[in-house]
Amino acid sequence: KNEVEQSPQNLTAQEGEFITINCSYSVGISALHWLQQHPGGGIVSLFMLSSGKKKHGRLIATINIQEKHSSLHITASHPRDSAVYICAVTGNQFYFGTGTSLTVIP
Amino acid sequence: KAGVTQTPRYLIKTRGQQVTLSCSPISGHRSVSWYQQTPGQGLQFLFEYFSETQRNKGNFPGRFSGRQFSNSRSEMNVSTLELGDSALYLCASSPSGGPWGPGNTIYFGEGSWLTVV
Repeated sequence: KNEVEQSPQNLTAQEGEFITINCSYSVGISALHWLQQHPGGGIVSLFMLSSGKKKHGRLIATINIQEKHSSLHITASHPRDSAVYICAVTGNQFYFGTGTSLTVIP
Repeated sequence: KAGVTQTPRYLIKTRGQQVTLSCSPISGHRSVSWYQQTPGQGLQFLFEYFSETQRNKGNFPGRFSGRQFSNSRSEMNVSTLELGDSALYLCASSPSGGPWGPGNTIYFGEGSWLTVV
């Protein structure tokens, strides 16, 4: 049983496309995080959400607490956005999604 | 400001041996947490230390242990290594409170790649 489900698992897009990655969770949470992992291992925290919507540059993250669902949107995608995007939730424990591998083709 | 530093970056150990990994958090950060990442299981939380005390622990066997020193540097140790312990071990630091709590930003190191043969 996976407490956090992400979709799609893999995603290939053309440069400039609008991208959406989805995350659904089944546990009560205090916060949801979107992480970005580039080849080589390093992870960067993109967003931390407990409600509503956040925007940073071309990235937008939303969360619907009632539906236990979050989305990460990338507008005007660029090859440098190619990475694995991981959804993580914290409640009484820490749970991670298995990640979405994004490749943006020039 | 230096980031989170993990050493060593790469290491190979033999089954049955033990290994110690080191993590130096960002200066001023008091919370250090550790994670294991494998292709099959993805990211999993190991434990978190704050002011030298283990505050949270994931669902890993007792072979996995850690500690934090007074300067906030942390080490994790895996004893009696198994092939399945081959993974990327990530350390992260945050200024205070829980590493994943609302209002906290978490910073990851580049990780230590462990191969058990």
